[in-house]
Amino acid sequence: ETGVTQTPRHLVMGMTNKKSLKCEQHLGHNAMYWYKQSAKKPLELMFVYSLEERVENNSVPSRFSPECPNSSHLFLHLHTLQPEDSALYLCASSQDRNSPLHFGNGTRLTVT
Amino acid sequence: TQLLEQSPQFLSIQEGENLTVYCNSSSVFSSLQWYRQEPGEGPVLLVTVVTGGEVKKLKRLTFQFGDARKDSSLHITAAQPGDTGLYLCAGVGGATNKLIFGTGTLLAVQP
Repeated sequence: ETGVTQTPRHLVMGMTNKKSLKCEQHLGHNAMYWYKQSAKKPLELMFVYSLEERVENNSVPSRFSPECPNSSHLFLHLHTLQPEDSALYLCASSQDRNSPLHFGNGTRLTVT
Repeated sequence: TQLLEQSPQFLSIQEGENLTVYCNSSSVFSSLQWYRQEPGEGPVLLVTVVTGGEVKKLKRLTFQFGDARKDSSLHITAAQPGDTGLYLCAGVGGATNKLIFGTGTLLAVQP
């Protein structure tokens, strides 16, 4: 039990589909993050929410849309993705910005 | 652009061997974290170092933060198959004062 739960673990979607990734943290943390992990690349920070407010958006294409309805839940809505978006998407939480991260086990996304 | 370069990128060794993984940057960090990611799982924090020259030990793992706080190393003694995984360093600081991740070292320990 990592304290950060992501669903689904695996997702295959076509380029015209709409899907959502879900993340839930049970640690009482104030910050939540979406990262993209691709082969042979460093972890890429996509979005940061602090106290439910988006505080960082690292030039992520609009086909990725985050949502943070409360401090325990984070979503990543996906639409009209491209094959190069195939990757492991990791959610993380931390007590506050720059505190060590607690990661979920990720969603392995394949775009066909 | 801040970069954290890790070396080697890949390492395959036999059980019982020792190894060292390096994390280097031209930027100064206020703290540095090490994570291990096992196959099919997310990264898990191993240690945080905050003081230049600091050494921390976690069983067979020894972490050191460089005196100038620009680099760090992870030394594993008598590696075991359970040490297999992707080792990531991550630093806070520099111009952005944000957490950035290194390029990772993929370690395979053969029984």
